[in-house]
Amino acid sequence: AQSVTQPDARVTVSEGASLQLRCKYSYSGTPYLFWYVQYPRQGLQLLLKYYSGDPVVQGVNGFEAEFIKSNSSFHLRKASVHWSDSAVYFCAVIRTGGYKVVFGSGTRLLVSP
Amino acid sequence: NAGVIQTPRHKVTGKGQEATLWCEPISGHSAVFWYRQTIVQGLEFLTYFRNQAPIDDSGMPKERFSAQMPNQSHSTLKIQSTQPQDSAVYLCASRGNTLYFGEGSRLIVV
Repeated sequence: AQSVTQPDARVTVSEGASLQLRCKYSYSGTPYLFWYVQYPRQGLQLLLKYYSGDPVVQGVNGFEAEFIKSNSSFHLRKASVHWSDSAVYFCAVIRTGGYKVVFGSGTRLLVSP
Repeated sequence: NAGVIQTPRHKVTGKGQEATLWCEPISGHSAVFWYRQTIVQGLEFLTYFRNQAPIDDSGMPKERFSAQMPNQSHSTLKIQSTQPQDSAVYLCASRGNTLYFGEGSRLIVV
């Protein structure tokens, strides 16, 4: 069964600094990969997704992620964070041809002024 | 497009009572999912409907939880004889080309 590991439970960065949130997945094939963000008392919102093709995918609000198959990773990046980016970020995976989305444990991002 | 609509947003219920949560998926989406979110367990898959038919309920606690999708415009999650450990945020999602979530129903069992 596929699984997702987000090794960092909490990340704190200064406003304007760059960001990388780590995600590694366990699956023998090439899965579909996602990043979601959850703001307080809200549902999950899709940031970006990877199905195939260019391994660097662009998302909303300046976020991007890179699929590195050799490392089974799908790290999320942003060049310059804003205080409004403070939220919980979830990496997720669906196996090819599957339907069940498996989520990582989430990374809480705090952007300090 | 109002997105996935979940009601109620908050529900407080006494131990042993029944709780019913409603979900209205995005119009035209054929797949509906229910997830449970807690601090300890994170996001847990509960059940999945496709074209209103139950496909996978492997995540549902067997004894007190049930889910239905009587028509394409809504699904319900019912918890009988609620227990404090059922306290969680229950998230509904529907899928077109990707998965869209509602804002969740926060259930508190006292």
